[in-house]
Amino acid sequence: EVQVVESGGGFTEPGRSLRLSCTTSGFNFGDYAVSWFRQAPGKGLEWIGFIKSKPYGETTEYAPSVKGRFSISRDDSKGIAYLQMNSLKAEDTAVYYCSRGVGGYYNWFDPWGQGTLVTVSS
Amino acid sequence: EIVLTQSPGTLSLSPGERVTLSCRASQSITASYLAWYQQKAGQAPRLLIYGISSRATGIPERFSGSGSGTHFTLTISRLEPEDFAVYYCHQYGNSPLTFGPGTKVDIK
Repeated sequence: EVQVVESGGGFTEPGRSLRLSCTTSGFNFGDYAVSWFRQAPGKGLEWIGFIKSKPYGETTEYAPSVKGRFSISRDDSKGIAYLQMNSLKAEDTAVYYCSRGVGGYYNWFDPWGQGTLVTVSS
Repeated sequence: EIVLTQSPGTLSLSPGERVTLSCRASQSITASYLAWYQQKAGQAPRLLIYGISSRATGIPERFSGSGSGTHFTLTISRLEPEDFAVYYCHQYGNSPLTFGPGTKVDIK
């Protein structure tokens, strides 16, 4: 069974850093992209960024709202992707989801993990 | 940035009814890179449709997608009790990837 599980969320103060992990199983991780998304309380879905697979150069792209503060990396040997979040702001408070990117270079995303809550507050 | 607009914001319907959800894009969607997701309260999103009209694995035939250019629709031919949820359209052909604000389908 294909699974993705997020971890690493929690409570932190503005300006601090946090690293989330996306642990996968049930598929050959190195063949797929991974994307991160978030959902603020009571709001819709927002794409944060993705990292492509090695055949696509492990290309990363980010949403304007997080570019320069967040970065995504991957460890194909462990089947884990990471979201490093620096200079956190109150508006980064959200449930963070990761998902496997399917379909070559342009990806749709399936499945999604259950998410991990990040709360940024003083 | 491609802005996606979904209408209506909320639909109140009864089980057994047919429903058509609309998604409009601010510019033409690259190739067929348009997907639909379902999200139930307290749960993660679930992929329903990709490539405008291809059903994801395990998705019932009552879900279908169509459209082109800037206008897309998700149709549920006959609502089942488990279909009451929020539905998001999503374009993945242009960065930044974007989602519509969602349409909530609730029970009348």
